[in-house]
Amino acid sequence: QQQVRQSPQSLTVWEGETAILNCSYEDSTFNYFPWYQQFPGEGPALLISISSVSDKKEDGRFTIFFNKREKKLSLHITDSQPGDSATYFCAAPNYAQGLTFGLGTRVSVFP
Amino acid sequence: GGIITQTPKFLIGQEGQKLTLKCQQNFNHDTMYWYRQDSGKGLRLIYYSITENDLQKGDLSEGYDASREKKSSFSLTVTSAQKNEMAVFLCASSRDWENTLYFGAGTRLSVL
Repeated sequence: QQQVRQSPQSLTVWEGETAILNCSYEDSTFNYFPWYQQFPGEGPALLISISSVSDKKEDGRFTIFFNKREKKLSLHITDSQPGDSATYFCAAPNYAQGLTFGLGTRVSVFP
Repeated sequence: GGIITQTPKFLIGQEGQKLTLKCQQNFNHDTMYWYRQDSGKGLRLIYYSITENDLQKGDLSEGYDASREKKSSFSLTVTSAQKNEMAVFLCASSRDWENTLYFGAGTRLSVL
C-alpha cells in the first residue's frame, strides 16, 4: 500500500512561473519529510526537508508548506528556471523501510 | 564530502543469468541501501544494511540477494534475470535511517 502519494504525475510551466507539487501521506508517525530532486541519468539528491513541527520551510526559490492536520505537503518552486526541470520525490523515513518515496512529479520548465 | 560509486553503469544480461551489482561509499556511513527504480513506479527498497555484515529485506527483496562485505561496500545480486527486464538500481548510504540519503548514479539493467 502506497504510504506517500504525489500529484500531479507531470507538470509543465513556463520560465518565471511558480510550479506547485503536492504530496500526501497516511502514516501519522512520519515526522520528517525530505524532498529529493533527480536529473536524468543521475541519482536523487536531497533538495529541501521539513520537520513536522514546522508549517513552512524556505530555501531560496524552493518552499515547502506543511499541513499536519490534513497530512499534506506542497513544494513550491518560484521563478522556475529551465535548470529546475527534473523529477521531484517526496519521501518519509521509516525505521522498518528506510525512506518511503512517492512516485515523483516530473517538472518541465520551458523558456 | 563523499561519493557513492556504482559499477557497472550499464549491465546487459541474458534471461536466467545471475548478475552482480557493486556499490562503494567513502562517507564512512553505517547504513547502505539498494533501491530499484522503474518508470512510473518511483523507488522501491530491495535491501538495506545498518552495519557491516547486517542485512535487512525491503519490500522488493524476492529475486535478489545482497552482501555487506565491509562498511564501505554493498553488493546486490539478481539471482535470475527476467527476460525484457529493464530498471535502474540505485545504491545509497546514510549516517542512519533518519538522516539524508546520498545516492549513486545507478546501474542500468537490460535483460535480453
